[in-house]
Amino acid sequence: KNQVEQSPQSLIILEGKNCTLQCNYTVSPFSNLRWYKQDTGRGPVSLTIMTFSENTKSNGRYTATLDADTKQSSLHITASQLSDSASYICVVSEFNTDKLIFGTGTRLQVFP
Amino acid sequence: DAMVIQNPRYQVTQFGKPVTLSCSQTLNHNVMYWYQQKSSQAPKLLFHYYDKDFNNEADTPDNFQSRRPNTSFCFLDIRSPGLGDAAMYLCATSTDRAQETQYFGPGTRLLVL
Repeated sequence: KNQVEQSPQSLIILEGKNCTLQCNYTVSPFSNLRWYKQDTGRGPVSLTIMTFSENTKSNGRYTATLDADTKQSSLHITASQLSDSASYICVVSEFNTDKLIFGTGTRLQVFP
Repeated sequence: DAMVIQNPRYQVTQFGKPVTLSCSQTLNHNVMYWYQQKSSQAPKLLFHYYDKDFNNEADTPDNFQSRRPNTSFCFLDIRSPGLGDAAMYLCATSTDRAQETQYFGPGTRLLVL
């Protein structure tokens, strides 16, 4: 069964610190991998989208990496801000069906 | 500047009373999706439209229906809401299927009494 697992489930960091969120998936073959940010009570907002041939992609203080061989991705947040407090969801699309497989997210809280 | 708009943002209904949630988009995207997201869970795809072509997920209950009268609008109808249908309902759009980024609306929080 195609799955997307994220770790940690939740994370607390201090403002200004860096952090890294992990995503492991079993979806194969896959078309692309995305990271979304979802604020509480809001819809997800796309941060990055990477195809299987891309290793890294940045969006401001957010940098996503992808290792298609080990089926792992990470999202690195640099110099965290209070507004980074949200859930971060890893999503992988199946190549054959175009279906999106969602991870359950990492809940990040940034404290001053 | 809103691109994907959902109304209402909060909806309270009674057990068994039909309810309709609406979604509109200004992006002129071909594909529109409806997701159900329960607390601390990942969004679950209910169905999607590619233009007028309706695609239902196999495990979507018959209680959930959808209409897309034109490119801009898509509706989610819950014929007889149960307590288990209380959730956040997210609408999303994309230019094409999964190859492109999906743009999500802010969601409608449904409460069933």
